[in-house]
Amino acid sequence: GEDVEQSLFLSVREGDSSVINCTYTDSSSTYLYWYKQEPGAGLQLLTYIFSNMDMKQDQRLTVLLNKKDKHLSLRIADTQTGDSAIYFCAESGQNFVFGPGTRLSVLP
Amino acid sequence: DTAVSQTPKYLVTQMGNDKSIKCEQNLGHDTMYWYKQDSKKFLKIMFSYNNKELIINETVPNRFSPKSPDKAHLNLHINSLELGDSAVYFCASSQFRGGQSDTQYFGPGTRLTVL
Repeated sequence: GEDVEQSLFLSVREGDSSVINCTYTDSSSTYLYWYKQEPGAGLQLLTYIFSNMDMKQDQRLTVLLNKKDKHLSLRIADTQTGDSAIYFCAESGQNFVFGPGTRLSVLP
Repeated sequence: DTAVSQTPKYLVTQMGNDKSIKCEQNLGHDTMYWYKQDSKKFLKIMFSYNNKELIINETVPNRFSPKSPDKAHLNLHINSLELGDSAVYFCASSQFRGGQSDTQYFGPGTRLTVL
């Protein structure tokens, strides 16, 4: 069945770049997504990328997609303390499947 | 003006009780979903309704019964609540039937605590 994997934790210093990685198995995925969940809050759609694109940039966020390796990454430039949250990768192939989430901690 | 709203935001109840969580979306979407997020933050889909018709029904106890009176509402009724039902329940909606090229938009979540 479909599966989405992410590392569970990431710590970075304020001002550094963060890179959150994700791998997925469903080669029929058309869109891949990044959601952000702040403590005690709901899921916020951050960005998404169409599967025929390699890269998408949106202000401090850069999404890279390697479709051959089924690897997706989210880079956050100049990471701030407000970026501390759980980041979920998701793919929409046969179903909408979430990864387990990566908890990003930003250290001052 | 909230796109996907849920009530209540918090629900604390005793084991054995029956409770409902309501969800409404004003996006004009055709499909709505219920997800359960456990204490480890894993998100699992429970149900999906398209135009009031059940299209996804994952393996959940039959104590959970979704009800969709119209395509803008999907309520979740839970009978005989158990300790293991404690979780955050998220409602979501999408424009089409889900799957490819169909972005899901999430409500703020309902934190259910069963004592």
